Amino acid sequence: GAVVSQHPSWVICKSGTSVKIECRSLDFQATTMFWYRQFPKQSLMLMATSNEGSKATYEQGVEKDKFLINHASLTLSTLTVTSAHPEDSSFYICSASLTTNYGYTFGSGTRLTVV
Amino acid sequence: AQRVTQPEKLLSVFKGAPVELKCNYSYSGSPELFWYVQYSRQRLQLLLRHISRESIKGFTADLNKGETSFHLKKPFAQEEDSAMYYCALSGNQGGKLIFGQGTELSVKP
Repeated sequence: GAVVSQHPSWVICKSGTSVKIECRSLDFQATTMFWYRQFPKQSLMLMATSNEGSKATYEQGVEKDKFLINHASLTLSTLTVTSAHPEDSSFYICSASLTTNYGYTFGSGTRLTVV
Repeated sequence: AQRVTQPEKLLSVFKGAPVELKCNYSYSGSPELFWYVQYSRQRLQLLLRHISRESIKGFTADLNKGETSFHLKKPFAQEEDSAMYYCALSGNQGGKLIFGQGTELSVKP
């Protein structure tokens, strides 16, 4: 149980376009989801905390206008990278916190390449 | 502020040797600590958390509040243990999870 599905698993887009990444909780309700960014062989950097029905809380240094987060339902959070540039190329991972045992479950990640 | 430090970027051992992956943390309250493992091309998986005090795949970790450490140990490493290991901290249950830099464990035959 407690599976998070992340889609797409990889995407290539042109510079200047926007890309949407979806994170769904399949068998539970996720009131809180987290979005991370991971560079090769590096750690997960927390970008923002997404709360259902309210605005996301962004970490210091993360541009909220560039990385739009929407958490309109208890099973879906989306991250939209707007006007993407090559430096936005990275691995993006979502996570949901579990109210049953206060653990966390992670999506499989999305590899974004901006050309 | 929450901070997790994993001083070793890479740890290479031979099969059957003991392993210790270091993790130190900084947090003013009582944190929850976790170890996550990421095998090649797979998603992050929970290895263990300090409140469970259980051993998974032979790994154990003890929270030492005096030294603010949560080192991960295994007495006899196996080749299949080769992976990236991340120590993580949450300041409150279900709150944001902050990760250390990660340690790549390489177990050689």
